[in-house]
Amino acid sequence: NAGVTQTPKFQVLKTGQSMTLQCAQDMNHEYMSWYRQDPGMGLRLIHYSVGAGITDQGEVPNGYNVSRSTTEDFPLRLLSAAPSQTSVYFCASSPRGGRSTDTQYFGPGTRLTVL
Amino acid sequence: EDKVVQSPLSLVVHEGDTVTLNCSYEVTNFRSLLWYKQEKKAPTFLFMLTSSGIEKKSGRLSSILDKKELFSILNITATQTGDSAVYLCAVCKVYNQGGKLIFGQGTELSVKP
Repeated sequence: NAGVTQTPKFQVLKTGQSMTLQCAQDMNHEYMSWYRQDPGMGLRLIHYSVGAGITDQGEVPNGYNVSRSTTEDFPLRLLSAAPSQTSVYFCASSPRGGRSTDTQYFGPGTRLTVL
Repeated sequence: EDKVVQSPLSLVVHEGDTVTLNCSYEVTNFRSLLWYKQEKKAPTFLFMLTSSGIEKKSGRLSSILDKKELFSILNITATQTGDSAVYLCAVCKVYNQGGKLIFGQGTELSVKP
């Protein structure tokens, strides 16, 4: 299994540009999440999904959209990039059911810089 | 407001030392507390704790949870340079149909030879 994969690894955008961060997992996990990590602030939840066709907002959803058309993929879209969105983005997944839901598996991350 | 606070924020020790990392929390609808290790890349899972007083161990690492006082500690004995990393504490709370992780700021551990 490849686990959780993310593309691209690095990205530089100009203010106002849009882009999509890709996330895929091959573990048949129902739950998928997007986090951003900023210095001194830990990881903060942006959006999450409990299954195909179901998404919900996390702590910091503004400026981001998600969709979940398949179990495997959970892309994160930046609608109009702003310098405040400069961060490292992690995608995570976990299986459904019991305590195993709590243990999330993280992708390698995407480092995004917005100029 | 839910919060998870870790201390210290950074720590420098020498190989062979024992370290204790702290995590306190105020989170409604608590499900579990998790520790992750992050070495310049994705966080990797270390422990999940759900009950008070039961110590989880993995080699030189151990962790315990106190649900009455709302804190957890992560101990690392006989530290090695490979233990250098950011250690993240997260609390999973019941949220909609599943769980939601709330992370602390992390403790950056540096182990010198």
